[in-house]
Amino acid sequence: AQRVTQPEKLLSVFKGAPVELKCNYSYSGSPELFWYVQYSRQRLQLLLRHISRESIKGFTADLNKGETSFHLKKPFAQEEDSAMYYCALMGNTDKLIFGTGTRLQVFP
Amino acid sequence: SQTIHQWPATLVQPVGSPLSLECTVEGTSNPNLYWYRQAAGRGLQLLFYSVGIGQISSEVPQNLSASRPQDRQFILSSKKLLLSDSGFYLCAWSRRGGNQPQHFGDGTRLSIL
Repeated sequence: AQRVTQPEKLLSVFKGAPVELKCNYSYSGSPELFWYVQYSRQRLQLLLRHISRESIKGFTADLNKGETSFHLKKPFAQEEDSAMYYCALMGNTDKLIFGTGTRLQVFP
Repeated sequence: SQTIHQWPATLVQPVGSPLSLECTVEGTSNPNLYWYRQAAGRGLQLLFYSVGIGQISSEVPQNLSASRPQDRQFILSSKKLLLSDSGFYLCAWSRRGGNQPQHFGDGTRLSIL
């Protein structure tokens, strides 16, 4: 079965600290993985996808097939990074399977 | 550029009343369309998706239904709302083809009294 697990509901850090939002998945094939972000009072939007191998707003995520993980990382958190982050998996259909989300709080 | 519109933004309805939420997409043709429910602590649950006019797939059994009367219009409906239908509903679209990211609307907060 396809499943996405985000073990942390809430992650709190101070500005300038490193951030890692964990995401593990369960899928027997080769998945496409995404990170979506929802800032306060804004719509859910795509942050990055593993196939693009790009850094967005200082965030990166590497697909680790051995550990079935797609953790989101940023070396120095900023207050404006405070938001809800969702990891999502797409298998062999056009449907996304979302994790339960992690709320990131960055304190000044 | 492509845009997605979803309305209303908020809705308060009594139990047993009907429901109609609308979603339209502009700037693209033949999109895949999706309805999700977002519940606190439970992430996004896919309710319906559509790959074309009149083609609806239901992901979970429920009191709701969806319709796609036009290529870029997706409607979420109910004949009789239940208290458990309260929640935040999101519409999304994506291009056809594999592994396309989905783009979300602003959502509708539905409260059932």
